[in-house]
Amino acid sequence: AQTVTQSQPEMSVQEAETVTLSCTYDTSESNYYLFWYKQPPSRQMILVIRQEAYKQQNATENRFSVNFQKAAKSFSLKISDSQLGDTAMYFCAFEGTTSGTYKYIFGTGTRLKVLA
Amino acid sequence: GAVVSQHPSWVICKSGTSVKIECRSLDFQATTMFWYRQFPKQSLMLMATSNEGSKATYEQGVEKDKFLINHASLTLSTLTVTSAHPEDSSFYICSAPKTDPSGETQYFGPGTRLLVL
Repeated sequence: AQTVTQSQPEMSVQEAETVTLSCTYDTSESNYYLFWYKQPPSRQMILVIRQEAYKQQNATENRFSVNFQKAAKSFSLKISDSQLGDTAMYFCAFEGTTSGTYKYIFGTGTRLKVLA
Repeated sequence: GAVVSQHPSWVICKSGTSVKIECRSLDFQATTMFWYRQFPKQSLMLMATSNEGSKATYEQGVEKDKFLINHASLTLSTLTVTSAHPEDSSFYICSAPKTDPSGETQYFGPGTRLLVL
């Protein structure tokens, strides 16, 4: 069974600094997708960044980038120049197929607080 | 981007009553939608996969007779919590996948907060 682990329940970072959120996963599949979602206090899930497993190049999206290590099954999120609006819960998610049906599995989340 | 709506955004009901939650993809069609449940300060737990025109697929431990799912059209899935009890109080979120040139992305609704008294 696939699992997603986020080992940091809470983190804080000073405004304008850089922070890295960790995520590891376990799967026997060779092709899959990985995601980072942000859930602010409104609880609306917002896609931050996506990575296809067959792509070796790490995905980037403005201030957000990932360090994807397929062999180590690691998928960390780096937030550069942190802003107050980045304060939120961040979930790592794995999308794979089980018995031909694809679905998301979420990690337990990391609560990030950006300090002024 | 794509927009997924949910209605209602919050609902309070008496124990024993049934509550219907709607999930709509507003600007795209979705043959599959997903329903999640989220307890306070916890992660999203997949409850079931809603399939347009066929039966939903439920995750292990989710009572299909308790949580009825209907995917009547390519833009609408409904979750009905039957004979609701206080332990069903939770935040329910739906999502729908949309494929664009960069790949497939799940778009989430804003969630429905259910409180059963």
